[in-house]
Amino acid sequence: SQLAEENLWALSVHEGESVTVNCSYKTSITALQWYRQKSGEGPAQLILIRSNEREKRNGRLRATLDTSSQSSSLSITATRCEDTAVYFCASNYGNEKITFGAGTKLTIKP
Amino acid sequence: DTTVKQNPRYKLARVGKPVNLICSQTMNHDTMYWYQKKPNQAPKLLLFYYDKILNREADTFEKFQSSRPNNSFCSLYIGSAGLEYSAMYLCASSPTGGAQDTQYFGPGTRLLVL
Repeated sequence: SQLAEENLWALSVHEGESVTVNCSYKTSITALQWYRQKSGEGPAQLILIRSNEREKRNGRLRATLDTSSQSSSLSITATRCEDTAVYFCASNYGNEKITFGAGTKLTIKP
Repeated sequence: DTTVKQNPRYKLARVGKPVNLICSQTMNHDTMYWYQKKPNQAPKLLLFYYDKILNREADTFEKFQSSRPNNSFCSLYIGSAGLEYSAMYLCASSPTGGAQDTQYFGPGTRLLVL
């Protein structure tokens, strides 16, 4: 089974609304990463949050990490149509590898 | 330039035939990865090179080969394609290969085996 997984397969909101994607992981980690993959492109890293951090921001994006519940969330405020993508969380697994969840497909409706 | 390039973008192969996919990066990254991505599934790590050292995942050890003739290029080779190999193949690179490194992905090669 996957070591990291998003909690919802698909999500949709209207443009301008806020949305949160959740992720849970199964092992003790040193960091968790959020990636976004738009149609026709490879995944691109959005945020890396270390195990000693509780929150990290990047513009309209905010990631949180709760090591006690082994969960993370990625919130997007003031969503835009171009935020439509698949969002992956990825947690480390050993020293060199990260393992991805299956992703949450987020659709922003006009 | 943080671009990772992959060729070809689309590949049609016949069952039993070999397939060779190419990836390149000019960021002088130590580590290059190959993932297999099927619809609604997580990207699955197949193998990675740290410098010249190849590390293959145990469950895909015999199915995929790779070479890295220099720092910039990495190939993924399938000796005899089966229907189950139909997928998106993603190449990525990272500066050092640590678990906290950012991985930079290429756009992927979509392989269809018939």
